[in-house]
Amino acid sequence: GESVGLHLPTLSVQEGDNSIINCAYSNSASDYFIWYKQESGKGPQFIIDIRSNMDKRQGQRVTVLLNKTVKHLSLQIAATQPGDSAVYFCAEKTGEGKLIFGAGTRLAVHP
Amino acid sequence: DGGITQSPKYLFRKEGQNVTLSCEQNLNHDAMYWYRQDPGQGLRLIYYSQIVNDFQKGDIAEGYSVSREKKESFPLTVTSAQKNPTAFYLCASSIVTRAYSNQPQHFGDGTRLSIL
Repeated sequence: GESVGLHLPTLSVQEGDNSIINCAYSNSASDYFIWYKQESGKGPQFIIDIRSNMDKRQGQRVTVLLNKTVKHLSLQIAATQPGDSAVYFCAEKTGEGKLIFGAGTRLAVHP
Repeated sequence: DGGITQSPKYLFRKEGQNVTLSCEQNLNHDAMYWYRQDPGQGLRLIYYSQIVNDFQKGDIAEGYSVSREKKESFPLTVTSAQKNPTAFYLCASSIVTRAYSNQPQHFGDGTRLSIL
């Protein structure tokens, strides 16, 4: 089986509940942030992005919040479904144009 | 459908052998990237290319080589000099409109490389 999700923090939620996945980023000069979803054995899938001049951005069932004061990013998933089970990770783009990826959080959705 | 195709999905390498991982995209993206993913770690950049016939080393380029002869293709060779090659390798591409453009990278479904 795939082992990319081993040793990651896990968030367990009931189907239908809202999920909040958090990410602390490292560089105060980072100006662009991305959330990805990675299912077992697959590549990361783009979910949503946000630029540093915004605090909040909404997509379909997902919302990203950016708090630049404490360098914190969160992904909110509304009405979580079994198909949302995956590893979620954030990426920040530094002032030098480099993308830095977090290790991720495993989301487990229980019926 | 447009996308990024990586092949093979699984690859095994013998001691002293070089192996090449394929990455092809039909998204008309200028930039392409290779990352390595290890359990419990964030993606680490191996090489990237923003234009044909040009590429730069990433954070962990030692033991790897690339070429960019066509816009659509960015193959990665894992050489025998890479002593710990077992990992999940991901190729990505993105639009480049100008320096430090804010565009997401889109990924293929990876190649899992193991040592025999």
